[in-house]
Amino acid sequence: AQSVAQPEDQVNVAEGNPLTVKCTYSVSGNPYLFWYVQYPNRGLQFLLKYITGDNLVKGSYGFEAEFNKSQTSFHLKKPSALVSDSALYFCAVRAYNFNKFYFGSGTKLNVKP
Amino acid sequence: ETGVTQSPTHLIKTRGQQVTLRCSSQSGHNTVSWYQQALGQGPQFIFQYYREEENGRGNFPPRFSGLQFPNYSSELNVNALELDDSALYLCASSLDGVNQPQHFGDGTRLSIL
Repeated sequence: AQSVAQPEDQVNVAEGNPLTVKCTYSVSGNPYLFWYVQYPNRGLQFLLKYITGDNLVKGSYGFEAEFNKSQTSFHLKKPSALVSDSALYFCAVRAYNFNKFYFGSGTKLNVKP
Repeated sequence: ETGVTQSPTHLIKTRGQQVTLRCSSQSGHNTVSWYQQALGQGPQFIFQYYREEENGRGNFPPRFSGLQFPNYSSELNVNALELDDSALYLCASSLDGVNQPQHFGDGTRLSIL
């Protein structure tokens, strides 16, 4: 079975501090992993993806994510948070032979000035 | 480059009615997926279309059906509406390929009374 877990409903961080939003996954075969961000009353915006290769992938707006195969994790990170990063973040996984994405339940990121 | 557009933005229906939601894919994209996002939850995959054929489906009953047209635009049809169908319905388009990210529209907010 394929699934994605985001263990934290909410993450609070001060502006300028590093942030981490956690994601673990379960998938048969090689996973394709994605992070999306959703602002209020908007659709999801693509941030970054891991397909193969380097375990650290860089994406939009200074975000990066670290793939850890042994821990089946794909945590989203940013070295210095901005207030404008406050939004809802979703992790998604797709198995290589399945035509469907599985999304996590989302993590609300609050960045305080 | 035109992004994914969905119509209508909001819709109110009553139980038992039928509804059609529409989506225009991003230019050049030949794959479209539909998702249901209930309040406070992650998107749930309904189905995917590639070149006018359904090629992936989530755990939704047959009263959820779709179409993809030659210009790659798409419709989601829901029959016999139930109260639990109240949600944000998201359309996402992409290029073909499991490593391709999906690009989302801003969704249609469907309320069932």
